[in-house]
This record gives sequence, C-alpha cells and structure tokens, in this order.
Amino acid sequence: AQSVTQLDSHVSVSEGTPVLLRCNYSSSYSPSLFWYVQHPNKGLQLLLKYTSAATLVKGINGFEAEFKKSETSFHLTKPSAHMSDAAEYFCVVSSQPLSGGYNKLIFGAGTRLAVHP
Amino acid sequence: DAGVIQSPRHEVTEMGQEVTLRCKPISGHDYLFWYRQTMMRGLELLIYFNNNVPIDDSGMPEDRFSAKMPNASFSTLKIQPSEPRDSAVYFCASSFAGIATGELFFGEGSRLTVL
Repeated sequence: AQSVTQLDSHVSVSEGTPVLLRCNYSSSYSPSLFWYVQHPNKGLQLLLKYTSAATLVKGINGFEAEFKKSETSFHLTKPSAHMSDAAEYFCVVSSQPLSGGYNKLIFGAGTRLAVHP
Repeated sequence: DAGVIQSPRHEVTEMGQEVTLRCKPISGHDYLFWYRQTMMRGLELLIYFNNNVPIDDSGMPEDRFSAKMPNASFSTLKIQPSEPRDSAVYFCASSFAGIATGELFFGEGSRLTVL
C-alpha cells in the first residue's frame, strides 16, 4: 500500500533563509507525488507535482521538490523564505489499489511552516 | 473563474440537527470531491463524483452522511442527525481529470461545529 510520512510537524525559519520540508513515501510502484499548501482559513492549493518525468520539479512561488527513488523522498525546498510562505504544507501520494477499488490521494499529516522576521 | 464555492463558511448547530453543506464546482470540471479535515485524522476523502455519479463513497463514515450531485454545478453533503464528533472543516474540490493528475481545486471549506 502507498503511504506518505512528513517528518516534521512544525518548521520555523527566518525570512530570507532556506526552507526544507521533508517527505518520505512508500510505494510498490513508481508513484505520482504532489505538494499542496494551505494558508490559514483557506482551501488547499497545488504547489507542484511529480509524475515520472523530470526528477526535479519546479512549482509556484519559487518552491521546488526533488524525487529521489533511492531514498524514497520528495522533499520540498525554497532558497529564500518570505513571510507569505507561512502556511501548512501537505505531501501527497496517488495510490493505486492492488486489486479493485479506486485511486485515491493519500495526504500526509502536514507540516506547519512559520516564518519569522 | 470564481473557483470552487462552498456555503456556508461557518455553521454552528446543536446535536441532532440536520446540516447541509453546499458546493459549486468549477465550470467544466467533471469530478467533484468531498473531504473532511480534523486535527486528529487529517484530511479524509468522504466521497467523489464523476459526471454527477457517485464513484467511491467508501469514506463516508456512516449512514448519517449522504451526498448528492443533482447536476454538474451543484452538490450537497448532508448530515442527519449531526453529532459533536462531526465537528470538522469540510472541503469540496473539483477536477477536470480526476485523481490521476492529482490536481484538485479546493474551496475554502465549511467549518462545522456541533454542540
């Protein structure tokens, strides 16, 4: 079965410093992976997605993520944090049932990013 | 496009009352999803529709929950009777290509509090 683990529930950075949000996945086949962002009192928004093309994926607002099969990781990074990046970030894997059933998106527990002046 | 529109944004009700949450998906999107978000369980898929037909309702917690999509531009999620453990933020999302692309467009959610 597919699963996703976000290694940090909270991350705090200073404005202008790099951001690293860690995500490990478990999948019996080549997965599709996504990062979503949720700002306070808002819905989720897709940041970027990996679907077996280039392993380095660029998303919106300067975020990018690298798919590393050997490490089963899909960490999200940004070179320089802005105050507006403060939000909750979700790593997501698209699951494929072994027999019957329907595809599902499996959401991680989320990482809350705080950005300090 | 106005995006996915949900109403009400906030609902406070008493245990035993009926609750109806509404959703208008993005025009042209063939898939509609209902999710529930709580601190304890995170984001859970309740049900999704394709072309107004329910496809997977395995996430609907129990018979108190029901969802309908009478046409391509409207869906409801109903809880009857409501219980305090139903308190959560309920999100509606729509997509033009389903789960395969992973690109869902979420509404801003309906925060339900059941006293």
